[in-house]
Amino acid sequence: DTAVSQTPKYLVTQMGNDKSIKCEQNLGHDTMYWYKQDSKKFLKIMFSYNNKELIINETVPNRFSPKSPDKAHLNLHINSLELGDSAVYFCASSPEGNEQFFGPGTRLTVL
Amino acid sequence: QKEVEQNSGPLSVPEGAIASLNCTYSDRVSQSFFWYRQYSGKSPELIMSIYSNGDKEDGRFTAQLNKASQYVSLLIRDSQPSDSATYLCAVNPLYSGGGADGLTFGKGTHLIIQP
Repeated sequence: DTAVSQTPKYLVTQMGNDKSIKCEQNLGHDTMYWYKQDSKKFLKIMFSYNNKELIINETVPNRFSPKSPDKAHLNLHINSLELGDSAVYFCASSPEGNEQFFGPGTRLTVL
Repeated sequence: QKEVEQNSGPLSVPEGAIASLNCTYSDRVSQSFFWYRQYSGKSPELIMSIYSNGDKEDGRFTAQLNKASQYVSLLIRDSQPSDSATYLCAVNPLYSGGGADGLTFGKGTHLIIQP
């Protein structure tokens, strides 16, 4: 059984487009996160959600917006995509905000 | 600003030897520490967590924490070629039981186990 899943696995799109990445966890965890891993493999927190409430919001552009329809899902919407948005985006979840378990990642390429 | 420092490597270790990976962190209030393994093209996989000073052992892995020195390490005994990966050190300022801070990651150490 997949614990944290993401779709799509690969996403190739043109600059200026709007896209979404979906994330689901079946672990019953309270908190979910989005991380960005850039071309140099540096992994950085973007957002976290705890019981559908945004807890932290790092200094990411407001073109990025997380949306959580329920505790098991945290989707990432990106508007007006730019070249610099190309990266691997990881969803993660954790019980009580501690040990975090990652999804398989979505490789976004903006052309 | 929270920072986590790791030597990027590559760290080359012969098969069967002990691999030693090190990490320092800047935020003194940090309470939770994690080691993740990431194979190329894959997602980070949690291999160790440690919350108290001292050593924590799990199979071939031992995590060591020294909060006074703001230092955490990972030892891998009897290294295998399958241990070749990037090892990410991560820090969370909150102790288990609450909060939703994201982890602050180091840039990772690339470990190569030579057969």
